[in-house]
Amino acid sequence: AQSVTQLGSHVSVSEGALVLLRCNYSSSVPPYLFWYVQYPNQGLQLLLKYTTGATLVKGINGFEAEFKKSETSFHLTKPSAHMSDAAEYFCAVSDPLAAGNKLTFGGGTRVLVKP
Amino acid sequence: EAGVVQSPRYKIIEKKQPVAFWCNPISGHNTLYWYRQNLGQGPELLIRYENEEAVDDSQLPKDRFSAERLKGVDSTLKIQPAELGDSAVYLCASSPRTGNTEAFFGQGTRLTVV
Repeated sequence: AQSVTQLGSHVSVSEGALVLLRCNYSSSVPPYLFWYVQYPNQGLQLLLKYTTGATLVKGINGFEAEFKKSETSFHLTKPSAHMSDAAEYFCAVSDPLAAGNKLTFGGGTRVLVKP
Repeated sequence: EAGVVQSPRYKIIEKKQPVAFWCNPISGHNTLYWYRQNLGQGPELLIRYENEEAVDDSQLPKDRFSAERLKGVDSTLKIQPAELGDSAVYLCASSPRTGNTEAFFGQGTRLTVV
């Protein structure tokens, strides 16, 4: 079984400061890894994903994440926060060997951006 | 290209009443998912369809929940009777085909059972 742990249910950052959201996973096989963003009363939008290849993945809106197998981590970063980054962020994994790309999500981290 | 469309966006019902949610996936997407998102938590898969076949419904509470995907396109998720604990956001997602790594999500239906 797979599981995802997001450290910190709430993160507050100042505008222009670094955004760092932590994600650790547990999986019996190297998983596919995803970060989704959810704005209020909206569905989930894919920020970025890792399947194979380069472990540093760049996504939309200036976000990037690095897959570290030894640490079973996939932390999300953005060098400079913008007010529009205020949202909830979900890390998710799927088993590449299983049919159907079932996503297992973490509990989410809500980001507050202070002016 | 239109995204995944869900309706209604919001629904308030009394407990023990039935409720249904509708999802229209992205055109041409064979795989369709229903997820439930409880307040303050990440989404959890309820059921996955490949075309019109439900291939993973292990997390669907079958005593009160049912789903269908007629003709492998639109899908409905039904709860009968609803319980207070069913209050959540119900998300529909679709994917082009089995094995594709990206799922596209709709805006969800927020259900409140009173």
